[in-house]
Amino acid sequence: SQQGEEDPQALSIQEGENATMNCSYKTSINNLQWYRQNSGRGLVHLILIRSNEREKHSGRLRVTLDTSKKSSSLLITASRAADTASYFCATDLNYQLIWGAGTKLIIKP
Amino acid sequence: DSGVTQTPKHLITATGQRVTLRCSPRSGDLSVYWYQQSLDQGLQFLIQYYNGEERAKGNILERFSAQQFPDLHSELNLSSLELGDSALYFCASSWGAGGSVDEQYFGPGTRLTVT
Repeated sequence: SQQGEEDPQALSIQEGENATMNCSYKTSINNLQWYRQNSGRGLVHLILIRSNEREKHSGRLRVTLDTSKKSSSLLITASRAADTASYFCATDLNYQLIWGAGTKLIIKP
Repeated sequence: DSGVTQTPKHLITATGQRVTLRCSPRSGDLSVYWYQQSLDQGLQFLIQYYNGEERAKGNILERFSAQQFPDLHSELNLSSLELGDSALYFCASSWGAGGSVDEQYFGPGTRLTVT
């Protein structure tokens, strides 16, 4: 079974709005990563947050991690059309990354 | 551009055939990972190599095998292909060996279609 589960499965918002995606996982982790995938293309690393960190920022991205709840959230502020993509969280387990099924984000102009 | 290259970009073959997918990692990276992504699905980890040695194994079928060569490029061999093997196959690389997994850099993928 998958370690990470993203929520929601799909999200459609207006350009300029904020988008929040959540990820829950099952076991203890060393770190959690978020990746973006444009349709049919390779994944691009966005942010890595370590288990001893609670929040991390990168440009318009903000990631939080709550290890007590085994969950993380990815916030994209002031969304743009170019943010349309699938977003995946991945957690490390036994020397490998375990991936969620992703959240498909659509930004409407 | 991630610096990871994969060839070929597209591959169409028939059931029962064997194909080889090739990956060159980012300069300086020692780990190579192989993933399978079926249509509208998440990534399934197949296998990892670190500096020429198998490091971790995921849901890789016995019909599939991989290796990493001394120059660190890697090949994924898929044999006795079935329709269900049609998917995007991604290679990724990272500097580290795993454990606390570093960020991975993905190639553009090989789209395999089995007819």
